[in-house]
Amino acid sequence: GENVEQHPSTLSVQEGDSAVIKCTYSDSASNYFPWYKQELGKRPQLIIDIRSNVGEKKDQRIAVTLNKTAKHFSLHITETQPEDSAVYFCAASKRAAGNKLTFGGGTRVLVKP
Amino acid sequence: ETGVTQSPTHLIKTRGQQVTLRCSSQSGHNTVSWYQQALGQGPQFIFQYYREEENGRGNFPPRFSGLQFPNYSSELNVNALELDDSALYLCASSLDWPATSTDTQYFGPGTRLTVL
Repeated sequence: GENVEQHPSTLSVQEGDSAVIKCTYSDSASNYFPWYKQELGKRPQLIIDIRSNVGEKKDQRIAVTLNKTAKHFSLHITETQPEDSAVYFCAASKRAAGNKLTFGGGTRVLVKP
Repeated sequence: ETGVTQSPTHLIKTRGQQVTLRCSSQSGHNTVSWYQQALGQGPQFIFQYYREEENGRGNFPPRFSGLQFPNYSSELNVNALELDDSALYLCASSLDWPATSTDTQYFGPGTRLTVL
């Protein structure tokens, strides 16, 4: 089955700096890659997603890139703010598997003011 | 916030007991997926229901079972509870049509289950 690895497990950045989280996946048939943000005690919240027919997607300070050949995708947060502090999860899925999401282990991001 | 709701919010059970968790989908969604999230880990897929039929199952034993109702709400049942079943149980709803590629899943707030 699919396996998703996520790095780093923790990331500390100064406010205003950029944060980058990287994920690799094992199943070349995966075609959907969402990113979720989970604050302490809250539900995972979708922040951005990308499908396999697209190489990059941006939404304000957040961008995601996908390299299908290398089977990795990354989340980029620019101009970080204290409210960006949370745990971020990447995930992968494919239609043939009933859209089952396989998650990475998570990255705890701390933005220091 | 999504329109996905779950009940109860918290639950404490003892080993060997049975538990039922409930999920109400976002309006218009016809697919519900259940995930188990242990402390400090990413969610693990349990199973998915599409139009009242199980549509995929993760690596969980048969004592984890589910139902989906005609209004697309869903239940997760766990029998013979074990200590390791202590976790946050999340449901996610989505709109699944054969013609589309992959459909975004929106999570509920979860049920925190503690097994003593």
